[in-house]
Amino acid sequence: QQPVQSPQAVILREGEDAVINCSSSKALYSVHWYRQKHGEAPVFLMILLKGGEQKGHEKISASFNEKKQQSSLYLTASQLSYSGTYFCGTEYNYGQNFVFGPGTRLSVLP
Amino acid sequence: DSGVTQTPKHLITATGQRVTLRCSPRSGDLSVYWYQQSLDQGLQFLIQYYNGEERAKGNILERFSAQQFPDLHSELNLSSLELGDSALYFCASSSSGTGQNIQYFGAGTRLSVL
Repeated sequence: QQPVQSPQAVILREGEDAVINCSSSKALYSVHWYRQKHGEAPVFLMILLKGGEQKGHEKISASFNEKKQQSSLYLTASQLSYSGTYFCGTEYNYGQNFVFGPGTRLSVLP
Repeated sequence: DSGVTQTPKHLITATGQRVTLRCSPRSGDLSVYWYQQSLDQGLQFLIQYYNGEERAKGNILERFSAQQFPDLHSELNLSSLELGDSALYFCASSSSGTGQNIQYFGAGTRLSVL
């Protein structure tokens, strides 16, 4: 079952913040976040396992709310290089039923 | 560089033809995934192999088939090609056994069916 991502698209100016959400109707084992630039391969950003942990990677961080089965990706002080499509991927059990969300297209303008 | 190698990078063929896409996973990775991405669309999961065995199947057409060989490389065979099969085909590999099923993607094969 494909996770739901919101928003579908977002346009920012450099330096602004953004939040991308990923939610599931079923209990999750893990949530993965990937970024894909146009015409390139998706690149892994981070993984969150059930337990509600938060992770950070430079100015990009994510949280996983196990009660809501929702993960949020936070991009702070966005840079031009953050532009791309962000996909979340979810697993219900380890190594099984992995599926990507539809993606959120992020455009950062100067 | 993700360590996942896909060949060829580009493929141009005609309707009705058959092609084979190849993927070499990262050293030590046992799982291989295949995805199809049409223009500006999402990543459609096709099939997953783990150590030579089919592990999961997505929306893979009957005209498509795949296999993983003893050396762990994988091939995706597309036959009776149609215009709508034009897309980017990605292969990804993961290590499994670590509790974190992180997928690392190859650069993709861009298939154009004319």
